[in-house]
Amino acid sequence: GQQLNQSPQSMFIQEGEDVSMNCTSSSIFNTWLWYKQEPGEGPVLLIALYKAGELTSNGRLTAQFGITRKDSFLNISASIPSDVGIYFCAGRPMEGSQGNLIFGKGTKLSVKP
Amino acid sequence: DSGVTQTPKHLITATGQRVTLRCSPRSGDLSVYWYQQSLDQGLQFLIQYYNGEERAKGNILERFSAQQFPDLHSELNLSSLELGDSALYFCASRSGQGPSPLHFGNGTRLTVT
Repeated sequence: GQQLNQSPQSMFIQEGEDVSMNCTSSSIFNTWLWYKQEPGEGPVLLIALYKAGELTSNGRLTAQFGITRKDSFLNISASIPSDVGIYFCAGRPMEGSQGNLIFGKGTKLSVKP
Repeated sequence: DSGVTQTPKHLITATGQRVTLRCSPRSGDLSVYWYQQSLDQGLQFLIQYYNGEERAKGNILERFSAQQFPDLHSELNLSSLELGDSALYFCASRSGQGPSPLHFGNGTRLTVT
């Protein structure tokens, strides 16, 4: 089946540093979403992208829909301790998967104060 | 608060038993999705309903079934439970009209002993 390759798997950074993570696929996607999950909670939507090349910000978060439609990245600027959690990318392929979202395996972010 | 409500929050049961997980979607959302998240795993799509009808199936075992009722709430039934079924089960909803993101509930943590 189709897969999303999300990297890195985990990151350990110092408070104040910038963070970058990305997802790639061999298939073309028409939607990219980024979610954050904290322990004991469900994934919370951070940013939704629907057009190739689209660059969208949400506070200190910025995400882009790759121009090839096969990738997306999420940047977090000036990280703070509450950024800790697991970040998931999710994409909706143009073909296959019956139009449902495919999720990456997540990037676990740890922030040292 | 995503607006998606899941009950119960925790469930502990024995192998061979049957359980029912309940989900109330966000007001106005017609599509309901069920996902399974095992330890250190990403989100695995199980099944989707739209306005009461099954729309898509993912990696859902034959021992599992679901339904969406006229008031749009959904139930996921898990039977003949095995130790490996222990996981977080998430419900998510979206409007189903045009491109729109999934909004997740806080999940039900199932422990099979």
